[in-house]
Parts: sequence; structure tokens; C-alpha cells
Amino acid sequence: NAGVMQNPRHLVRRRGQEARLRCSPMKGHSHVYWYRQLPEEGLKFMVYLQKENIIDESGMPKERFSAEFPKEGPSILRIQQVVRGDSAAYFCASSPPPGQGDETQYFGPGTRLLVL
Amino acid sequence: DAKTTQPNSMESNEEEPVHLPCNHSTISGTDYIHWYRQLPSQGPEYVIHGLTSNVNNRMASLAIAEDRKSSTLILHRATLRDAAVYYCILLYAGGTSYGKLTFGQGTILTVHP
Repeated sequence: NAGVMQNPRHLVRRRGQEARLRCSPMKGHSHVYWYRQLPEEGLKFMVYLQKENIIDESGMPKERFSAEFPKEGPSILRIQQVVRGDSAAYFCASSPPPGQGDETQYFGPGTRLLVL
Repeated sequence: DAKTTQPNSMESNEEEPVHLPCNHSTISGTDYIHWYRQLPSQGPEYVIHGLTSNVNNRMASLAIAEDRKSSTLILHRATLRDAAVYYCILLYAGGTSYGKLTFGQGTILTVHP
């Protein structure tokens, strides 16, 4: 069973460009979480999604950031008009559906975004 | 959200046991105690979790105080690969509700050869 996959692993963008980060959850997982880790800081929750639904986006910046988890395909975290302050490691995690007795979140290797 | 308090850093020698403490005096009855760790340049990795009883798995043991206001992650024989930041996190798991993980600063564990 493959783990959580994220791509690209490294992404370089110039200020003003768009960044698209992809996350493929573990097989059978219908919940996806995105976290951001700024340099020398801790991990911060951004958004929690189920298939086709945003459940909790309380950690998402109000502008330029959006996330989706379509019925088919990976979850996408999209950052429009990137700024240097967006440079960070972005981690995706997935978890099984409720009721299976496993609340664990399984993390991917992260996408390291560098904005020049 | 209930908060956790951990020492900023701890050190250990290889092959020795390590006890990583965590205080969570405001824990509620439906909060699970989760431990994750993050190795350098990697994503967080689940270690163990529990509610009231002590728990053991292949990676570690979790000792939970009787009043649940504190817990201790125990690595029985530290290896160099255990050098990481260890996070103690409370996660509400009432019914079918899943929640975000709120990471604190964690404990930086250094393992000496």
C-alpha cells in the first residue's frame, strides 16, 4: 500500500506566479489535510477536506490560497500570485473514513516551495 | 483547544531509554493523546496514541497518568534514527468527528552515539 504521495517535491516560482501542489492520499482514505511549515517554525494546519467538500479551512489565508479534493484525482492546494513569504514546506496528510477505529493521520514527504 | 507543554530539548545516548514528558492539564474526556515525530527534512510520522490506558507498539510505549493531565512517551532503546522533533498533540475524537492536528514546538531529541 503506497503511502501519501505529494508532487512536486520541490517547486520554484517567481513572485506573482501560481503554485499548484498535489497530494494523493493513501488508498481508501477519503480525508485530506494540508499543513504548512515556514522556515524555522512549527507546522500549522491549513485546511481539511473530504471528497468534494471543504470541512475546515480555518487555517487558510483569506486571499490567494484555495484547496480542492475532487471526486477523482488528487487534492490540489493552489497558491495564486505567490510572494516570498509563501516559501515553506507544505505537507499533506490523509486519514481513513470515520468508524474504522484509526484516527491516525499519515503524512506525505512534503512539497518545498521556494519563491524567488 | 487543550494545550500541551513539552521541554524544548532532551538528549540521550544510543541504546539507552528515553522518556519524553508532556503536560496537558486542561485535557478533556474526549481528547486522545497523540504523539508524532518529524525527522529532519521529512514529513511528520505517527508514533503512538492513547486515551486512558498505557499503550505499546513496535516503536514506543505511552504511559498516561491516572488523572490524564500528563503523559510520557518512552523509547526503550534510542537509536541515532530516533533523533527528531517529538510532538505531543491532543486530538478530539468524539463520534465521527476528525480534527486538525495542532502542533506545538515539540521536543528536539538529540541522540549521541
